[in-house]
Amino acid sequence: AQTVTQSQPEMSVQEAETVTLSCTYDTSESDYYLFWYKQPPSRQMILVIRQEAYKQQNATENRFSVNFQKAAKSFSLKISDSQLGDAAMYFCAYNAGGTSYGKLTFGQGTILTVHP
Amino acid sequence: ETGVTQSPTHLIKTRGQQVTLRCSSQSGHNTVSWYQQALGQGPQFIFQYYREEENGRGNFPPRFSGLQFPNYSSELNVNALELDDSALYLCASSRGSQETQYFGPGTRLLVL
Repeated sequence: AQTVTQSQPEMSVQEAETVTLSCTYDTSESDYYLFWYKQPPSRQMILVIRQEAYKQQNATENRFSVNFQKAAKSFSLKISDSQLGDAAMYFCAYNAGGTSYGKLTFGQGTILTVHP
Repeated sequence: ETGVTQSPTHLIKTRGQQVTLRCSSQSGHNTVSWYQQALGQGPQFIFQYYREEENGRGNFPPRFSGLQFPNYSSELNVNALELDDSALYLCASSRGSQETQYFGPGTRLLVL
């Protein structure tokens, strides 16, 4: 079974600084997708970034970028120029590409606090 | 473009009762997935509906059931509620069964 591990229950960062959230996963599949979602206190899960395993290039979305290390099964999220609105719970998620349905497997989450 | 919506936002039930939660998918999406999120935990996959058929199921008992309608909206039904069913229930819609999932705001269920 696939598992996703986020080893940092909590992280904090100063506004305008950079922070990196860690995620590792375990799978025997070669075709899969990885995601970072954020969940603010309002509780709606918002997609931050997506990475296809077959792509060697790391995904970026404005201030958000990932470091995808397929051999190490590592998928970290870097947030640059942190803003107060980035404060949220961040979840790393995995989706096996070879199955007939899209089941997301989530990590336990990392609470990110942004200090002004 | 309207996003994923869920109703109700909050619900209180007693043990043994039945509950129905509703989800309207985003325009252009034909797939709905349901997740249960206990407090302080990551969401757990319940099941997915694709073109009105259950397309995959997580490790949840049969008292968790669902439906998808021709307009691709969906219902999650839970029978014989237990205290441990208290959680945030999230639905997510996508353009296909393997496409990126976009989440609704969730329904907070409290079972007393």
